[in-house]
Amino acid sequence: EIVLTQSPGTLSLSPGERATLSCRASQSVSSRYLAWYQQKPGQAPRLLIYGASSRATGIPDRFSGSGSGTDFTLTISRLEPEDFAVYYCQQYGSSPPRYTFGQGTKLEIK
Amino acid sequence: QVQLQESGPGLVKPSGTLSLTCAVSGGSISYNNWWSWVRQPPGKGLEWIGEIYHSGSTNYNPSLKSRVTISVDKSKNQFSLKLSSVTAADTAVYYCAREGDRGYSIGYWGQGTLVTVSS
Repeated sequence: EIVLTQSPGTLSLSPGERATLSCRASQSVSSRYLAWYQQKPGQAPRLLIYGASSRATGIPDRFSGSGSGTDFTLTISRLEPEDFAVYYCQQYGSSPPRYTFGQGTKLEIK
Repeated sequence: QVQLQESGPGLVKPSGTLSLTCAVSGGSISYNNWWSWVRQPPGKGLEWIGEIYHSGSTNYNPSLKSRVTISVDKSKNQFSLKLSSVTAADTAVYYCAREGDRGYSIGYWGQGTLVTVSS
């Protein structure tokens, strides 16, 4: 089973700043199988990025994803107040468990 | 737009069976998609439980496989989760979900329902 490790655990930034979140896999992951989610308190996760770099429907272009192999990055170019949340990366497995998630990065207001 | 809604008891006794149902609206459960259950213990991360296709084919997380059953009721456009022999460690928000339109991710989520295991 592939393990995803996200860093940092908590990221403290101010609105307008750039956020860079990392997701490292314990073995190589196809880019097609890497996704990112945003979760706000009391809400379900929301799909942001699929296929490592494709934005889901309705996601602003300040969100971008990149990476390949074992290292993937979610970048938020200019933070808006509504972007402060927990972010999870996820990989899709060809055999169960079908979806595994990183432990999350909390993006908090500095 | 597909919408999902979980329902079921919010409190289950230890050693009992947790049972939840997910009602699907805005689309047919018989479309070519996999339907999943995901849980999140309070203050913790996400754990995929398992998935089902409208044909009844299932895949389960190996860590839970011995206790999990997911079933589908196409006539009611819903699918269900049963988790047996529950303990306090099974206390979590349970989400029903559907794979995204491009696959390999979860594009649609229910609002989630908190299930507490306690006597």
